[in-house]
Amino acid sequence: NAGVTQTPKFQVLKTGQSMTLQCAQDMNHEYMSWYRQDPGMGLRLIHYSVGAGITDQGEVPNGYNVSRSTTEDFPLRLLSAAPSQTSVYFCASSYTVAGGQTQYFGPGTRLLVL
Amino acid sequence: AQSVAQPEDQVNVAEGNPLTVKCTYSVSGNPYLFWYVQYPNRGLQFLLKYITGDNLVKGSYGFEAEFNKSQTSFHLKKPSALVSDSALYFCAVRDSGMNYGGSQGNLIFGKGTKLSVKP
Repeated sequence: NAGVTQTPKFQVLKTGQSMTLQCAQDMNHEYMSWYRQDPGMGLRLIHYSVGAGITDQGEVPNGYNVSRSTTEDFPLRLLSAAPSQTSVYFCASSYTVAGGQTQYFGPGTRLLVL
Repeated sequence: AQSVAQPEDQVNVAEGNPLTVKCTYSVSGNPYLFWYVQYPNRGLQFLLKYITGDNLVKGSYGFEAEFNKSQTSFHLKKPSALVSDSALYFCAVRDSGMNYGGSQGNLIFGKGTKLSVKP
């Protein structure tokens, strides 16, 4: 299994541009989520999904959209990039969101917005 | 609301010495507790978790963690530190009392502790 994969690894955007961060998993996990990591802030949840066709907002959803058309894929869209969205983005997945299920993380996408 | 605190931004240890990375939590029900490690420019790797049962949990790379319900703590420990253990460590919690249909079922992460092991 490839586990959780993310593309691209690194991206530079100009303010106002849009882009999609890709995330895929091959473990048949129902639950997928997106986090952003900023220095001194830990990981903050952006959006999550408990199954295909179901998405919901996390702690910091503004400026981001998601969709979940298949179990495998969970893309994150930046509609109009802002410098405040400069961050490292991680996708994670687990069988479910319940109980002691372990979340597995992708390698991350480093985003710089100028 | 559930929360996690890692009171130390950085922990410095000499190679061969024991290490402890501290974590305290707050939940309304029983906690599910996790430790993850992040090496530079990498994603988070799962180390260990506490669900129920024995308060001492053993995980990857010789790490272990002790669950203490009365002190609401879940400190990460290793008897003998290696230089290669130098990394960023995250504690996370999920509340067993929460409704998993909503956002309350998500993991909540601490801000992370940078572990530096010197030769």
